[in-house]
Amino acid sequence: AQSVTQLDSHVSVSEGTPVLLRCNYSSSYSPSLFWYVQHPNKGLQLLLKYTSAATLVKGINGFEAEFKKSETSFHLTKPSAHMSDAAEYFCVVSDLRTASKLTFGTGTRLQVTL
Amino acid sequence: GAGVSQSPSNKVTEKGKDVELRCDPISGHTALYWYRQRLGQGLEFLIYFQGNSAPDKSGLPSDRFSAERTGESVSTLTIQRTQQEDSAVYLCASSLGPGGNQPQHFGDGTRLSIL
Repeated sequence: AQSVTQLDSHVSVSEGTPVLLRCNYSSSYSPSLFWYVQHPNKGLQLLLKYTSAATLVKGINGFEAEFKKSETSFHLTKPSAHMSDAAEYFCVVSDLRTASKLTFGTGTRLQVTL
Repeated sequence: GAGVSQSPSNKVTEKGKDVELRCDPISGHTALYWYRQRLGQGLEFLIYFQGNSAPDKSGLPSDRFSAERTGESVSTLTIQRTQQEDSAVYLCASSLGPGGNQPQHFGDGTRLSIL
């Protein structure tokens, strides 16, 4: 079965400093990996996706993630945090066997302080 | 509309009542999903519709939960005889087609509170 582990439930950074949100996955087949962001009282918005093309994936709002098969990781990074980045972030995995059924991590709440 | 639309945005009801939640997917999206998000948690898959195929109901937590979809348009999620543990945000998503590499587009959800 596939699974996702988000290593930090809460991350706090100062505005202008780098962001690192960690994600490890488990999948028996070639995985597709996604990061979604959820602002308060809103649905989820896709930040970026990995689907076996380039291992370094660039997304919206300056975020990027690197797929590392040897480490089974897909960490999300951003060079410089903005106040508007404060939200909940979900790492998500699917694979060929489970087709459209996504498996979500438990989320990381990002706090950005002045 | 441009995005996935869900209604109502909030629903408060008494234990034991039935509720019906509605989802309008993005036009042209053949796949539709329902998820449940409990407070402070990730999303739990409930049900998946793809075109005219039989839905994948493997995530429905009990027989009190059911969902319908008319063709490739509107879907309704019905919860009968609601219980307090049904309180959650119910999110709907649609995607252009099946396949794990198709990104899903989410509505803003229905926040359900059972008194």
